[in-house]
Amino acid sequence: EAGVTQFPSHSVIEKGQTVTLRCDPISGHDNLYWYRRVMGKEIKFLLHFVKESKQDESGMPNNRFLAERTGGTYSTLKVQPAELEDSGVYFCASSPMGDTEAFFGQGTRLTVV
Amino acid sequence: QQPVQSPQAVILREGEDAVINCSSSKALYSVHWYRQKHGEAPVFLMILLKGGEQKGHEKISASFNEKKQQSSLYLTASQLSYSGTYFCGTEWGSGNTGKLIFGQGTTLQVKP
Repeated sequence: EAGVTQFPSHSVIEKGQTVTLRCDPISGHDNLYWYRRVMGKEIKFLLHFVKESKQDESGMPNNRFLAERTGGTYSTLKVQPAELEDSGVYFCASSPMGDTEAFFGQGTRLTVV
Repeated sequence: QQPVQSPQAVILREGEDAVINCSSSKALYSVHWYRQKHGEAPVFLMILLKGGEQKGHEKISASFNEKKQQSSLYLTASQLSYSGTYFCGTEWGSGNTGKLIFGQGTTLQVKP
């Protein structure tokens, strides 16, 4: 069974550019979470989808971040325009409905220069 | 308020034991433990629920002290493969949302 897959694994962009990160959860997992780890700090919650609906987006830093999950399958996280402080590793995790054991992807390392 | 993990880092020799603590200032519903190796996905180790019992498999176990709002991860007779960063993720209040608030991580290095 395929795990949680994230694309790209690395991205280096200039300040002011746009980047879109993609997450493919485990098939059948209704819960999808986005987290971010800034260098050396804790893994911080960004938002939670249940199927295609945003259940909790309290962790989104500002309106430069837009997450979507059309059709309740894969999700995208767009950063526009990117700022230096957006650099970090973005993780996606998924879990089945009613189960809080979450499976993480390997992350996308975003570097804004 | 994120949970606080201690110690921040630990270096062991193979076969030695270690304890990693995760303390919360808020009432916990559950604690999830993960291990991450460099460049890889965090891997789920175990979950402890409020009112639940101590859990473990092989030489890794954990406990949940409701009175102290603290969880401890016990690594017994450590192996080289145990090296990595350990994170506790906590759910507060009535929980069951899956939204985790993580500690800052504990880096464990096991040497031969």
